[in-house]
Amino acid sequence: AQSVAQPEDQVNVAEGNPLTVKCTYSVSGNPYLFWYVQYPNRGLQFLLKYITGDNLVKGSYGFEAEFNKSQTSFHLKKPSALVSDSALYFCAVSESYNTDKLIFGTGTRLQVFP
Amino acid sequence: EAGVAQSPRYKIIEKRQSVAFWCNPISGHATLYWYQQILGQGPKLLIQFQNNGVVDDSQLPKDRFSAERLKGVDSTLKIQPAKLEDSAVYLCASSLTGTGFNEQFFGPGTRLTVL
Repeated sequence: AQSVAQPEDQVNVAEGNPLTVKCTYSVSGNPYLFWYVQYPNRGLQFLLKYITGDNLVKGSYGFEAEFNKSQTSFHLKKPSALVSDSALYFCAVSESYNTDKLIFGTGTRLQVFP
Repeated sequence: EAGVAQSPRYKIIEKRQSVAFWCNPISGHATLYWYQQILGQGPKLLIQFQNNGVVDDSQLPKDRFSAERLKGVDSTLKIQPAKLEDSAVYLCASSLTGTGFNEQFFGPGTRLTVL
């Protein structure tokens, strides 16, 4: 069965420092991987996705993610964190081309301190 | 482009009462989803529509939950009767097609509290 793990409930980082939010996945076929961000009292917003091709994917707000097939990981990164990046981040996986049913991780709260 | 609209934004009911949520997807999006997000967890898919047909309702508690998507546009999700464990945020999302590489666009959600 498909699954997604986000091993950290919370990540704390100082503004201006690089950040990493971790995600590992388990699927039987080729994965389609997504990152979403959720701000308080708002729905999820799409950040980026990996479908195929270059392992480094760039997305909104300066975020990027690296797909690593051997480690079954899809970590979210940003070179320089902003206080406004503080939010809840969800990794999700879709198993195949024929369905976009997403399996979400439990989320990681990112706190960026001034 | 207008986003996914949901109403109401908040609802408080007592257990055993009924409640309904409404969703209007992005214009032209064929696929519509309802998710349940319990506090501290990621969203869980309840039901997926492709136009006005159900694609996946395997995790919908059908004894109390029902959903419909009339004319392939708006959708309603109903809970009857509600239980305490139904307290959650109910998210509606839509995507252009139902293929695996399309991102989903989410509405702001309805926060349901069952007392």
